[in-house]
Amino acid sequence: NAGVTQTPKFQVLKTGQSMTLQCAQDMNHEYMSWYRQDPGMGLRLIHYSVGAGITDQGEVPNGYNVSRSTTEDFPLRLLSAAPSQTSVYFCASSKKAGTHNTFGSGTRLTVV
Amino acid sequence: AQKITQTQPGMFVQEKEAVTLDCTYDTSDQSYGLFWYKQPSSGEMIFLIYQGSYDEQNATEGRYSLNFQKARKSANLVISASQLGDSAMYFCAMREGGRDDKIIFGKGTRLHILP
Repeated sequence: NAGVTQTPKFQVLKTGQSMTLQCAQDMNHEYMSWYRQDPGMGLRLIHYSVGAGITDQGEVPNGYNVSRSTTEDFPLRLLSAAPSQTSVYFCASSKKAGTHNTFGSGTRLTVV
Repeated sequence: AQKITQTQPGMFVQEKEAVTLDCTYDTSDQSYGLFWYKQPSSGEMIFLIYQGSYDEQNATEGRYSLNFQKARKSANLVISASQLGDSAMYFCAMREGGRDDKIIFGKGTRLHILP
């Protein structure tokens, strides 16, 4: 049982480049979400999904796109990377309502 | 709108003492859940404890307990008999029920356990 798998673990991008952070879970969780963690800011919700085909914006959605075509996968796309997107990104999943998130191990992204 | 406030950026506690990490929340929902996570220096997020808004008793998990005071909208984490391995970042989080089913986090408290 792999849980929540994030790839890559580390990435360096140049300003303006695009990339996709991958997230997959094998627990049949309905709910998936992306957070970014910056020093002193805690974890801020970027986008979340309550099921396949449904996505919604979190606290800091600008500059990021998501889609949820399957229950298992929830990729996060950066269309044109900016230095302000340098951060650690966490993907998480849970069953709906009243349960905690299971987190992936994180992706450390640096935009230069 | 949901809001989680952790007012202690950092704390230093002597080993074997009990420690309380503060968390207050704001929500207009009647149904919600409160969580605490631990993030050690290795970076992974570890779920510690959960309290539902309708739970009458405070949640406990081993050395962790959640002091839930609904009227004051507080959900403090209590760690009994602290250990060196408790040194970490601790996050309080809240999940509202209903359609807007998202989990938001506070900014965290860094706990240092002193030998």
